[in-house]
Amino acid sequence: DAKTTQPPSMDCAEGRAANLPCNHSTISGNEYVYWYRQIHSQGPQYIIHGLKNNETNEMASLIITEDRKSSTLILPHATLRDTAVYYCIARGSGGFKTIFGAGTRLFVKA
Amino acid sequence: DADVTQTPRNRITKTGKRIMLECSQTKGHDRMYWYRQDPGLGLRLIYYSFDVKDINKGEISDGYSVSRQAQAKFSLSLESAIPNQTALYFCATMAGTSGYNEQFFGPGTRLTVL
Repeated sequence: DAKTTQPPSMDCAEGRAANLPCNHSTISGNEYVYWYRQIHSQGPQYIIHGLKNNETNEMASLIITEDRKSSTLILPHATLRDTAVYYCIARGSGGFKTIFGAGTRLFVKA
Repeated sequence: DADVTQTPRNRITKTGKRIMLECSQTKGHDRMYWYRQDPGLGLRLIYYSFDVKDINKGEISDGYSVSRQAQAKFSLSLESAIPNQTALYFCATMAGTSGYNEQFFGPGTRLTVL
């Protein structure tokens, strides 16, 4: 699975969009990009995943660049409860393990 | 009811003691995992299992053993606990139909070894 790189921390004002970047420059064609988040020592929670196209669900949007070397997770209207560590993970076909890096610690401020 | 449960949620033990952490799931998933998390770090994989007859070592299996008693149950044992095994432990499951599935995590067990 490709290595991913994320900034260690970010701030966001409550009500504004939070844009969390992830670099995965060595991603291969069959590797999906997954995002999870972990709220204060709870079990990580799946957010979204995508391969090429942009994806949206009730929690977030995922924008993947055309060359697939980077992606951005967007929380459209961040709330205080979105304060968490966000993990970006690349996992491929037959990929049965999720390898977690250090993630991005997002602080949503009132 | 939670889909993935872990017991105990908190445990304090002494060096040298044998400890078992248990995980149960009602999701019907074939694949189960044990991770540990140290403060400020991401999760590291200890062991994983694809079914009751399949057990695989992860990144950091030394000092740990596992048992897959049934599809729904996966236990992690520390045969002789040591202080550097103090950590947060998570169990997770994944459907076994393909690799393009998310993992579902339990609430975690906080283990302290004195």
